[in-house]
Amino acid sequence: EVQLVESGGGLVQPGGSLRLSCAASGFTFSRYAMIWVRQAAGKGLEWVSVISGGNNSTYYADSVKGRFTISRDNSKNTLYLQMNSPRVEDTAVYYCAKGGVGAPIDCWGQGTLVTVSS
Amino acid sequence: SYELTQPLSVSVALGQTARITCGGNNIGSKYVHWYQQRPGQAPVLVISRDNDRPSGIPERFSGSNSGNTATLTISRAQAGDEADYYCQVWDSNTGVFGGGTKLTVL
Repeated sequence: EVQLVESGGGLVQPGGSLRLSCAASGFTFSRYAMIWVRQAAGKGLEWVSVISGGNNSTYYADSVKGRFTISRDNSKNTLYLQMNSPRVEDTAVYYCAKGGVGAPIDCWGQGTLVTVSS
Repeated sequence: SYELTQPLSVSVALGQTARITCGGNNIGSKYVHWYQQRPGQAPVLVISRDNDRPSGIPERFSGSNSGNTATLTISRAQAGDEADYYCQVWDSNTGVFGGGTKLTVL
């Protein structure tokens, strides 16, 4: 069974930093691109970033470009999202998901809440 | 940047057919994926690549995509289908979601 479990969410001050992790199991992690999607309370889904299976390619939403970095450790079956200089508007539930450019997002984690506030 | 437009809400009587639209410039040239999100839960893929149903998704769910509009059709609507539904495409290596449609089953 495919499982994605996010961790690392919490309260962070504007301008601080936070790293989210996503532990994957049940599939050959290194073969698949992975995605972060976020959802502010009461709002819709927003795509954040995608990384290819081999780490060769990364893409970001304009809203996070230059501040967030997606990465992965295929030896640990883990996906990361480094959030630098977060803003209040980055407050959301962050979902880790399996899928790549052009492909459907066929598996989602349960999400981790990030609150950016002073 | 590419935009997808969905109606905020759609209502359907129990047992009838619901249609949720997703508008975008020449969306028919892209693959559209649809997700169902029940309150407090993570999204679930219900239709991929315009009209493919993942394993475990009832045949009542179907999709179409042509011109400037993609449509998710839910036949014989059930109370359990009440949820938010999102369409999604890829545009120049960027993921794009529609704003979401709340489906109410009356």
